Formats: sequence, structure tokens, C-alpha cells
Amino acid sequence: DQQVKQNSPSLSVQEGRISILNCDYTNSMFDYFLWYKKYPAEGPTFLISISSIKDKNEDGRFTVFLNKSAKHLSLHIVPSQPGDSAVYFCAASAYSGAGSYQLTFGKGTKLSVIP
Amino acid sequence: DTAVSQTPKYLVTQMGNDKSIKCEQNLGHDTMYWYKQDSKKFLKIMFSYNNKELIINETVPNRFSPKSPDKAHLNLHINSLELGDSAVYFCASSQDVRVGVGNEQFFGPGTRLTVL
Repeated sequence: DQQVKQNSPSLSVQEGRISILNCDYTNSMFDYFLWYKKYPAEGPTFLISISSIKDKNEDGRFTVFLNKSAKHLSLHIVPSQPGDSAVYFCAASAYSGAGSYQLTFGKGTKLSVIP
Repeated sequence: DTAVSQTPKYLVTQMGNDKSIKCEQNLGHDTMYWYKQDSKKFLKIMFSYNNKELIINETVPNRFSPKSPDKAHLNLHINSLELGDSAVYFCASSQDVRVGVGNEQFFGPGTRLTVL
């Protein structure tokens, strides 16, 4: 039962253009969403996040949009750079009881930025 | 200075063996985690410790036993290894148990376990 879905396993974009990575979720209890970036042989690194009370958060070239009614979020990277080539994981958080919160990850989307 | 470190990076072993993976964080965080990334690439939480106390224990075989000797360390011991245990195991830490702004999880580089 995939509660967080990234339906595109890969995406190729020309350098300088916009990259749009999509993520859908099913659990309406999720209240915080994050994007992580992962290079080969390294652990995921935090990129950007958004609370469920907002619909947009921007940090430099990275913007995350949240559409709660559609249970959909997206990550926009503009302009895309070759160094952005990595696997991007969408993650969502919900309270799991006993004072703990739990992150649920999608399968990731591999972004390739072509010079 | 590595924030979250794991040893070993690679581990190849035979079925039935017992092995341990060590994790250390130097960020002063209170909460540490173990995740498993299987062949389908899903990252799934296994355990979470806060101030050395177990707070999340997902449905994993009891052959997996985490141990937190102090807040900076969370080790994972696996008994009687099986072929299906082959995966990449990631350790992570965060300031505390909440998930929110300024409390993101920092991940280690991963340990690739191969069971033959």
C-alpha cells in the first residue's frame, strides 16, 4: 500500500530548463511534506519542505507546490543544472502516536539534466 | 566532519551469520533512526530512538535488534541473516521526534548488505 507515490521513475531535462517532479499521496493525515535529493552511494539529503497549511514554499531555484485537495505536490527546479542530476525522493509525515512522527517515502524519481 | 556516519559501508556475508552495523552522529541530535531501502527502492522506517528510548518499532523480524548505548549512537544487530535481508540500510538523525521546519532528518551514507 503505497501512501506516497512518485509515478515517474525518471525524467530528463535540458540544462537551463525547468524540471518538474511530481508526487501524489493518499493519507489525508499527512501534515508535512519534504523533498530529499540522493546521489549514488550517498545518503539522502534534505532539500526543501512544506507544511500542509501552505501551498507554496520557495528556496532559491527550488519551489515546492502543494495541492491538498488533489493530494498532490510538485518540486520545480529552475533553471536546471547538471549538478541537479540525482534521485529525488518525496516524503510525507504524519503523527504515529506515542509522541512520534513517521516519514513515508516515495520510490524516487531519477532526474538527469543534460548539458 | 561527517555529520552521520555508518560502518561498514559494504557488508557481504553468508546466510545464517550474525552481523552489526554501527551508526554515529555528531550533530547533538536527540533522535536517531534506521531505514531499509529494498530492491524496489522504497525507503522504509525500521526503528526510531529518542534519547536512547525506542519510540518506533515497525514490523520487522525480531532478528533485527537496535541498540543505543548513548544519544550519539544507534547500532543495528542482525541475527541469522537471510537472503531477503540484502538491502541498503540507512541511519538518520534529527533534533527531536517532531518533523517540521528546522527538524529535518540527516542521513548517513548507507550500508549495502549482501547476504549470499
